[in-house]
Amino acid sequence: AQSVAQPEDQVNVAEGNPLTVKCTYSVSGNPYLFWYVQYPNRGLQFLLKYITGDNLVKGSYGFEAEFNKSQTSFHLKKPSALVSDSALYFCAVRDAGNTPLVFGKGTRLSVIA
Amino acid sequence: GAVVSQHPSRVICKSGTSVKIECRSLDFQATTMFWYRQFPKQSLMLMATSNEGSKATYEQGVEKDKFLINHASLTLSTLTVTSAHPEDSSFYICSARRGVQETQYFGPGTRLLVL
Repeated sequence: AQSVAQPEDQVNVAEGNPLTVKCTYSVSGNPYLFWYVQYPNRGLQFLLKYITGDNLVKGSYGFEAEFNKSQTSFHLKKPSALVSDSALYFCAVRDAGNTPLVFGKGTRLSVIA
Repeated sequence: GAVVSQHPSRVICKSGTSVKIECRSLDFQATTMFWYRQFPKQSLMLMATSNEGSKATYEQGVEKDKFLINHASLTLSTLTVTSAHPEDSSFYICSARRGVQETQYFGPGTRLLVL
């Protein structure tokens, strides 16, 4: 069975500092990995994904994530945080079959000016 | 990215009535659509997966007679909450995917309040 762990409920970062939101996963076979962001009372917005290719994936709004197979991790990063990045971030995984995404519990990012 | 819409965005209804939520993929054909439910400050819980033209596959614990899902075309899926009760109050989010290797895109969500 597929699963995702986001070990931090909350991450606080000062504006301008780098940010990292952690994610580890478990899946049979090759993983399809995704990051989404959710603003209050809104659906999820797609940030980036890893399916194959370079382990470092670049996505929307300056975010990037690195796929690490040995550590089964897919941490989300941004070199310089903005206050507007404050939101709820979800990591998700699925296998290569016709299966739905399985989500982590989410990490609330708070960027302080 | 692709656009998925949901209607209505918010609905308030009386206990015992039925509510229909529409989900549309606006700029792509979705072979598969998904319905999720999200409780406050919690993650998304998958309710069901539907492929166009076939019956939905429901997750364990989700009552298929209560949450009716219709995926009649490649751009439209509907979720009907039948005989709604206050415990059905939640944030319902649909998602659509063009193909097996494609990204899943999400609608803006529908907040249901049953009085």
